[in-house]
Amino acid sequence: AQSVSQHNHHVILSEAASLELGCNYSYGGTVNLFWYVQYPGQHLQLLLKYFSGDPLVKGIKGFEAEFIKSKFSFNLRKPSVQWSDTAEYFCAVRNYGGSQGNLIFGKGTKLSVKP
Amino acid sequence: DAGVIQSPRHEVTEMGQEVTLRCKPISGHDYLFWYRQTMMRGLELLIYFNNNVPIDDSGMPEDRFSAKMPNASFSTLKIQPSEPRDSAVYFCASSLGGYNSPLHFGNGTRLTVT
Repeated sequence: AQSVSQHNHHVILSEAASLELGCNYSYGGTVNLFWYVQYPGQHLQLLLKYFSGDPLVKGIKGFEAEFIKSKFSFNLRKPSVQWSDTAEYFCAVRNYGGSQGNLIFGKGTKLSVKP
Repeated sequence: DAGVIQSPRHEVTEMGQEVTLRCKPISGHDYLFWYRQTMMRGLELLIYFNNNVPIDDSGMPEDRFSAKMPNASFSTLKIQPSEPRDSAVYFCASSLGGYNSPLHFGNGTRLTVT
């Protein structure tokens, strides 16, 4: 069965620090990969997604993620975080061509950015 | 676009009571999902519908849980009887089309069963 691991439960950074949140998945075939973000008191929203092509994916608000197939990883990065990036971040994976219902979420990483 | 609308935002009930959570998907979306979020298990898919038809309910924890989608603009998730271990945040999400489409989530219903 597919699974998604987000190794960091809570990350605390100061503003302007660089961010990297880890995401590893277990699935032997081709996958679609996603990062969702949940700001305090708000709903989850899509940050970026990878389906095919360039493994370096750019998302909203300066975020990017790199798909490394050999490592089964899809880490999220941002060169310089802001206080407004404080949120919970969820990695999700779905087998390529799978139905919408096959989307598996990680347990999330809470990011706190100190002003 | 009003987004996915869930009600109520918070629900506190006593063990044994019936609980009904409601969801209005984005107009025109043909997929609707119910997720449950807990600290221990993260986000779990409970059930999803396509064109109002339940496609996969294997995530529904037990017979106490049921979900319906009587029309394209409304869905309910019912728990009867509720138990303290059902306490969680329940999210509804909708999407348009197949797997290329992102999920649009509602703000969730925080359920507390005492």
